[in-house]
Amino acid sequence: DAGITQSPRHKVTETGTPVTLRCHQTENHRYMYWYRQDPGHGLRLIHYSYGVKDTDKGEVSDGYSVSRSKTEDFLLTLESATSSQTSVYFCAISEGGGPGTDTQYFGPGTRLTVL
Amino acid sequence: AQSVTQLGSHVSVSEGALVLLRCNYSSSVPPYLFWYVQYPNQGLQLLLKYTSAATLVKGINGFEAEFKKSETSFHLTKPSAHMSDAAEYFCALTSGTYKYIFGTGTRLKVLA
Repeated sequence: DAGITQSPRHKVTETGTPVTLRCHQTENHRYMYWYRQDPGHGLRLIHYSYGVKDTDKGEVSDGYSVSRSKTEDFLLTLESATSSQTSVYFCAISEGGGPGTDTQYFGPGTRLTVL
Repeated sequence: AQSVTQLGSHVSVSEGALVLLRCNYSSSVPPYLFWYVQYPNQGLQLLLKYTSAATLVKGINGFEAEFKKSETSFHLTKPSAHMSDAAEYFCALTSGTYKYIFGTGTRLKVLA
């Protein structure tokens, strides 16, 4: 299994509070991703990173920010959580060897509930 | 625009029966296609991927998928279902970038 950990694994918070989720990898992979998983929507890309301090938006980036100051860590921040951000969040990594050979490996997920 | 459509959000099969999970895609450029499996309370695991080397792709756990350009399909099959195959399955596509588009998932139930 790819060395990917996510913390916390579960979190309950209140509307309007800031929340930071952490993804940590031990594979030294270049690319890291944040997805959210919701019933009926599958997985949707929030943000991804292609190197330290290099990030780009995905299809559902509004209300989220990310940072990557080290290769191994990719942080997802909800500046002011809303109930619509209740979801399961997955981090993924990939080597970036080229779209034809690249494979994403997923972390165990973080279940976030915003009350 | 790229898209992935998985037909059937829930599929039930008897143990020992053929498993067929359907995935159709839309892409203006040659796609790379993937199938992932998700067991309860876990992340996604790669089952197999199509990268244009061969249209019939074999994956782990006895699964395989066939890329059919004329039908824009990449259906997942397994000849004989096992109870341990019960999970949710996701089809995904990428087309030359590192952004993956996932389908909405198909939950497979295996009946004893």
